[in-house]
Amino acid sequence: GDSVTQMEGPVTLSEEAFLTINCTYTATGYPSLFWYVQYPGEGLQLLLKATKADDKGSNKGFEATYRKETTSFHLEKGSVQVSDSAVYFCALSEGTALIFGKGTTLSVSS
Amino acid sequence: DAGVIQSPRHEVTEMGQEVTLRCKPISGHNSLFWYRQTMMRGLELLIYFNNNVPIDDSGMPEDRFSAKMPNASFSTLKIQPSEPRDSAVYFCATSMDSPPETQYFGPGTRLLVL
Repeated sequence: GDSVTQMEGPVTLSEEAFLTINCTYTATGYPSLFWYVQYPGEGLQLLLKATKADDKGSNKGFEATYRKETTSFHLEKGSVQVSDSAVYFCALSEGTALIFGKGTTLSVSS
Repeated sequence: DAGVIQSPRHEVTEMGQEVTLRCKPISGHNSLFWYRQTMMRGLELLIYFNNNVPIDDSGMPEDRFSAKMPNASFSTLKIQPSEPRDSAVYFCATSMDSPPETQYFGPGTRLLVL
């Protein structure tokens, strides 16, 4: 079945460092891909999405490109802030419910 | 818009007791999801409703769990009897998309079963 694999965390960075969180997927068709973020004590929020190959989703300085050839959707940000500390979930959808990865915890220190 | 509303936010109960979690979706959203989040298993989909009808309940752990959506404004997730391994954060999420790709999550109910 469909699945999403994320890099294990936690990821610990200093403020203004470059961020990459890897995500790869397995799907039978052509899914839409998502990144959700969960801040401490809150529910998940959609961060960005891409619906077809080579699409780039972007929001709040975060970007991810849908790479069909490598079945990947890596999350990047050029300069992280302390306020970016959260858990990041990669997810896919093939028309019904979302399938989430296990989440990657990001901790940014000043 | 108030967003997805869940109640209670925290629940502590003893093993064997009945627990009822409640969700009010965003007005106009016709899909509703219940998820469970634990450190060990991550985020798991329990059940998915569309237009108040259960579409996929394959994630419901066992007969102790049941979910209803009597109307477009309200859903419940019930655990009877509760067990310590049910301790988790339970999220309700809703969507107005078709298919339901962009989901809006509530703040969750943190359940502790002693």
